[in-house]
Amino acid sequence: GQNIDQPTEMTATEGAIVQINCTYQTSGFNGLFWYQQHAGEAPTFLSYNVLDGLEEKGRFSSFLSRSKGYSYLLLKELQMKDSASYLCAAQDSNYQLIWGAGTKLIIKP
Amino acid sequence: DGGITQSPKYLFRKEGQNVTLSCEQNLNHDAMYWYRQDPGQGLRLIYYSQIVNDFQKGDIAEGYSVSREKKESFPLTVTSAQKNPTAFYLCASSIPDRGSQPQHFGDGTRLSIL
Repeated sequence: GQNIDQPTEMTATEGAIVQINCTYQTSGFNGLFWYQQHAGEAPTFLSYNVLDGLEEKGRFSSFLSRSKGYSYLLLKELQMKDSASYLCAAQDSNYQLIWGAGTKLIIKP
Repeated sequence: DGGITQSPKYLFRKEGQNVTLSCEQNLNHDAMYWYRQDPGQGLRLIYYSQIVNDFQKGDIAEGYSVSREKKESFPLTVTSAQKNPTAFYLCASSIPDRGSQPQHFGDGTRLSIL
């Protein structure tokens, strides 16, 4: 079956660095997406990885290892506004997204 | 400004009633999707459409129906057959079958039972 696993909740301190992990099992693979979702709002796109390695976008970076079925989202210089849920979604061979349950990130001053 | 508009933001359903959630996009995307989001669970696909006048069932289509008569519009009807409709419903659109193209989401409709 198809499955995405990510931690339910993480806590970090303002100004620090946090890494949110995601493991996936899909029928075929056409890339992995990370989205940010503030409570009660729409998910917004953060990153897409299809090749192994690290993609950096400002304070956010995303890493993919296809052989391990593993990705992580790295958030640097955390700000209070980064408090949100972070959703990992893997795209299968039919280009359908398989979604994780999301990781709720709590930032403390 | 291009985007996806969902309405209403909040909706209440009475027993035995069908309700329709609206989703309109002006991004010129061919593909549109409906997801259901429950606390502690990932987004679950209800229906999707890759092109006008065609749509496919997702993982949890029972109790729901859709239509795709126009490229811009993909309304979702929650029928009385859906016994547990309370959830946050999200509509999305994208360029279909293009791996790197993300789905863009509307602001959602929160449906509750009266």
